[in-house]
Amino acid sequence: EPEVTQTPSHQVTQMGQEVILRCVPISNHLYFYWYRQILGQKVEFLVSFYNNEISEKSEIFDDQFSVERPDGSNFTLKIRSTKLEDSAMYFCASSKVVRVETQYFGPGTRLLVL
Amino acid sequence: DQQVKQNSPSLSVQEGRISILNCDYTNSMFDYFLWYKKYPAEGPTFLISISSIKDKNEDGRFTVFLNKSAKHLSLHIVPSQPGDSAVYFCAASASNAGKSTFGDGTTLTVKP
Repeated sequence: EPEVTQTPSHQVTQMGQEVILRCVPISNHLYFYWYRQILGQKVEFLVSFYNNEISEKSEIFDDQFSVERPDGSNFTLKIRSTKLEDSAMYFCASSKVVRVETQYFGPGTRLLVL
Repeated sequence: DQQVKQNSPSLSVQEGRISILNCDYTNSMFDYFLWYKKYPAEGPTFLISISSIKDKNEDGRFTVFLNKSAKHLSLHIVPSQPGDSAVYFCAASASNAGKSTFGDGTTLTVKP
């Protein structure tokens, strides 16, 4: 069964450093998403991406965040200058159509900012 | 502003019995509701959904009930199995498009 993959599985970084989280969506999917889950809290929507553009973003997704689809397979989330509060599990998701129930989630990248 | 709430952080049931997970929402714009299941070290997996034009949707052992007037939905699992032990997230969407708003999750433990 096709799946969304994410790398790395864990990342530890120093506050102020830039991090790039990588995702490989399912190959024929057109819609891409990032969510995050701070430890013990809810899963929160960050951003959706379609046709090389951001479709929607949440209040969390400020100027420190950016997304990119640098080639035909990867979808990345960059955090320019990490803060302690960016420590969370980051989930990538993709879907063939825009319907929410069709989103497939990756296993997540656990980011720890020290 | 917590638009989707799951008031029970955990639930423990005996194998074979019914599990009932509850969820409340506040945003009247939500018209599509989903339940996700999440195992440790994995992403959420879609389980079942319901549109606001329905009050019940069934898929095998899983049934979701929606009470729009109370802004409440519930997931029933019958019979519960040990493999159902996971975190269950309720989520809601406006027009079943793109973004979902999640609840805090309920950890279900099904004891053999």
